[in-house]
Amino acid sequence: RKEVEQDPGPFNVPEGATVAFNCTYSNSASQSFFWYRQDCRKEPKLLMSVYSSGNEDGRFTAQLNRASQYISLLIRDSKLSDSATYLCVVNMRRGSTLGRLYFGRGTQLTVWP
Amino acid sequence: SQTIHQWPATLVQPVGSPLSLECTVEGTSNPNLYWYRQAAGRGLQLLFYSVGIGQISSEVPQNLSASRPQDRQFILSSKKLLLSDSGFYLCAWRGALKETQYFGPGTRLLVL
Repeated sequence: RKEVEQDPGPFNVPEGATVAFNCTYSNSASQSFFWYRQDCRKEPKLLMSVYSSGNEDGRFTAQLNRASQYISLLIRDSKLSDSATYLCVVNMRRGSTLGRLYFGRGTQLTVWP
Repeated sequence: SQTIHQWPATLVQPVGSPLSLECTVEGTSNPNLYWYRQAAGRGLQLLFYSVGIGQISSEVPQNLSASRPQDRQFILSSKKLLLSDSGFYLCAWRGALKETQYFGPGTRLLVL
């Protein structure tokens, strides 16, 4: 089983729509969580961290359910510029080290006018 | 502010040829450095990471190697490329107290 699983999509939504992505992780020892965004043929860029109480950054809302080992990303009022692949990322620490990041394969989003 | 550079941006190499990709970081000291590969339609695969000069950990055995000759320089090499080495190679850095990683612009490698 992969450490991080995502629905690959693609999700095709009109401008202004609300879209949600889900992600599950396998290791309950995972300790921090992130969403990255990757544009076509570009490097991944950090979109937002995911906190246990849930957090919001403008039109983006991230939630974490540790009991279910489930992470979500909600995008409201979608813009054309939101078209990208969204990567779910989980950090697992090893002892006193920072640990390593595990990346999902990504969920592709296309927003159409 | 910190910046990360990679070169070349794109590379086309014949099978069996050597490879050297370079990554440098500016604006930080003693970063953790990472090499990832992203094959077409697949997720990011961690290849190597380094916590300091001369310290390299390999995550996946293959015909690639990495070196860290200076604090802010990370090099990915191969003596003989395979077709399966084609992909998008990404270097990333992480500060000593942070868990997030920041990626360079990547090198797109095509082995023919």
